[in-house]
Amino acid sequence: DTGVSQDPRHKITKRGQNVTFRCDPISEHNRLYWYRQTLGQGPEFLTYFQNEAQLEKSRLLSNRFSAERPKGSFSTLEIQRTEQGDSAMYLCASSGGTGDPYEQYFGPGTRLTVT
Amino acid sequence: AQSVTQLDSQVPVFEEAPVELRCNYSSSVSVYLFWYVQYPNQGLQLLLKYLSGSTLVKSINGFEAEFNKSQTSFHLRKPSVHISDTAEYFCAVRGGFGNTGKLIFGQGTTLQVKP
Repeated sequence: DTGVSQDPRHKITKRGQNVTFRCDPISEHNRLYWYRQTLGQGPEFLTYFQNEAQLEKSRLLSNRFSAERPKGSFSTLEIQRTEQGDSAMYLCASSGGTGDPYEQYFGPGTRLTVT
Repeated sequence: AQSVTQLDSQVPVFEEAPVELRCNYSSSVSVYLFWYVQYPNQGLQLLLKYLSGSTLVKSINGFEAEFNKSQTSFHLRKPSVHISDTAEYFCAVRGGFGNTGKLIFGQGTTLQVKP
């Protein structure tokens, strides 16, 4: 397996536009997490999926944010009406399957810049 | 609520010197503790973890961390650092058994190893 992949790696958008990011977890992993990391800070939890069910959402996830994992495989994170404060690195992580259940494997992230 | 505080944002050290990166956590329930490392232009990787049992845990590349419940700390140490250890280090906490598995990260510590 090649690990967790995210697409795109970089996204520049104008304020007010919608953006969508994709995460492909390690294939056997049933757990998927989204985090956001701003400059100089550690990652902050956004949301968690177990298979296709979204089981937890952070208060950080305003109603402009939505995430899906339609078939329990890849996941998308959409931000509507982007704001400059949304500029950050968006990280996806997965865990589960036959591997260490306590280790989350992180993707390379999608860096969003809102101008 | 759980939180993690990394007491140093930057730690400069000369090659072959010992280093300690400090981490304190706050939690009302039992926790699992982690150190993740982020090398330049790479994703987060698990360095080591404490789940239960021996309070001293070690990584394959010479790092070790000790869980101290009374001081609510999980400091990371290495007796002799290499240039290649230059990276961002994140301490994280996860709630105990039954939790969704989301990680709460500290702000990160930049380890700068100088020749």
